[in-house]
Amino acid sequence: KNQVEQSPQSLIILEGKNCTLQCNYTVSPFSNLRWYKQDTGRGPVSLTIMTFSENTKSNGRYTATLDADTKQSSLHITASQLSDSASYICVVSPIGTGFQKLVFGTGTRLLVSP
Amino acid sequence: DTEVTQTPKHLVMGMTNKKSLKCEQHMGHRAMYWYKQKAKKPPELMFVYSYEKLSINESVPSRFSPECPNSSLLNLHLHALQPEDSALYLCASTQPGTNQPQHFGDGTRLSIL
Repeated sequence: KNQVEQSPQSLIILEGKNCTLQCNYTVSPFSNLRWYKQDTGRGPVSLTIMTFSENTKSNGRYTATLDADTKQSSLHITASQLSDSASYICVVSPIGTGFQKLVFGTGTRLLVSP
Repeated sequence: DTEVTQTPKHLVMGMTNKKSLKCEQHMGHRAMYWYKQKAKKPPELMFVYSYEKLSINESVPSRFSPECPNSSLLNLHLHALQPEDSALYLCASTQPGTNQPQHFGDGTRLSIL
């Protein structure tokens, strides 16, 4: 069964600190892996998208890595800001279902404290 | 501002009411989606429209009825809902055949009394 597991479930860090969120998946084969940020009461917003052949992708203070051998991805946030407080969702797109069915992770709820 | 617009933002309805959720995008995307999201859970896929045709129905109860009048609009008609249907309903769109991410609206917060 295609699954995407994320850890930790929740995390509290001080403003200005770095953090790393983890994503383990069993989806195989897959065409791409995405990280989304979802603020409370808002829809998810795409941060990064990586194909299976890419190892890293950056978007400002967000850097995603992908290890297709171990089926792991991480999202590193540098110099955190209060506005980074949100849920972060790892999403994998299986080959075959294409654009239609994504497999969503369980999410990590990040709170950045002043 | 999101490029996928959903209305209304909030909706409270009784179990016997009929209402509709609306979604609009002008990015030229030809795939549109409805998701249901409960608190602290990831979105759950309900329906997918591809080129204005229903391509996926994830065994959603018939009290939810989707409609895609044209390539820019997606509706979700609601009738005789249950309290457990209270959730955030998200619309998304993307272009088929590409690696573009799905663009999500900010959702409609639905409460069933």
